[in-house]
Amino acid sequence: DQQVKQNSPSLSVQEGRISILNCDYTNSMFDYFLWYKKYPAEGPTFLISISSIKDKNEDGRFTVFLNKSAKHLSLHIVPSQPGDSAVYFCAAAGGGSTLGRLYFGRGTQLTVWP
Amino acid sequence: GAVVSQHPSWVICKSGTSVKIECRSLDFQATTMFWYRQFPKQSLMLMATSNEGSKATYEQGVEKDKFLINHASLTLSTLTVTSAHPEDSSFYICSAIHRRGPTDTQYFGPGTRLTVL
Repeated sequence: DQQVKQNSPSLSVQEGRISILNCDYTNSMFDYFLWYKKYPAEGPTFLISISSIKDKNEDGRFTVFLNKSAKHLSLHIVPSQPGDSAVYFCAAAGGGSTLGRLYFGRGTQLTVWP
Repeated sequence: GAVVSQHPSWVICKSGTSVKIECRSLDFQATTMFWYRQFPKQSLMLMATSNEGSKATYEQGVEKDKFLINHASLTLSTLTVTSAHPEDSSFYICSAIHRRGPTDTQYFGPGTRLTVL
């Protein structure tokens, strides 16, 4: 049972424009959310996180928005750059599960073209 | 950010042999590490939680006698795939929790590509 869902397997955006990656979750007990970026044959790289007590967190070009009532979060990348092309994983934690255990979505392949 | 390393980065072995993969947190101590497996174009699948000084906790469907986990120190966890078979071929990734006050961040190793012939 997939508790974290990324319904768009791929996204293509022109350089300089905004990339919006979406993520939905089903477990209302999740209280911490993270985004990871992954290149082929490499481990995921932590990008940004957000606690459930917030609805927005910014770090440079990356902003994560959390809508708890809709159980939805999104990652905005502005402006998008070709080097951002990678698979982006949404992950959630909490809900009384093992401390630190992350639940991952299936990922969205972002392609930023010049 | 914190650094987690894995060794080896890739390994090819014959069916029936055992393979050990190491996961190290290089600049922090990690009481908890995780082992994941990723199949092509699929999400990361948690295999087990590795706790320093105690037995690992395995996810449902993961054979603990086949995937042996040892977390002997605060900076090292090992995964041993025993009697490997071709269906064990996969990309294995470890992660470690870096505790920094109220929030913890999980950092991942670069992964190990296992190919069983």
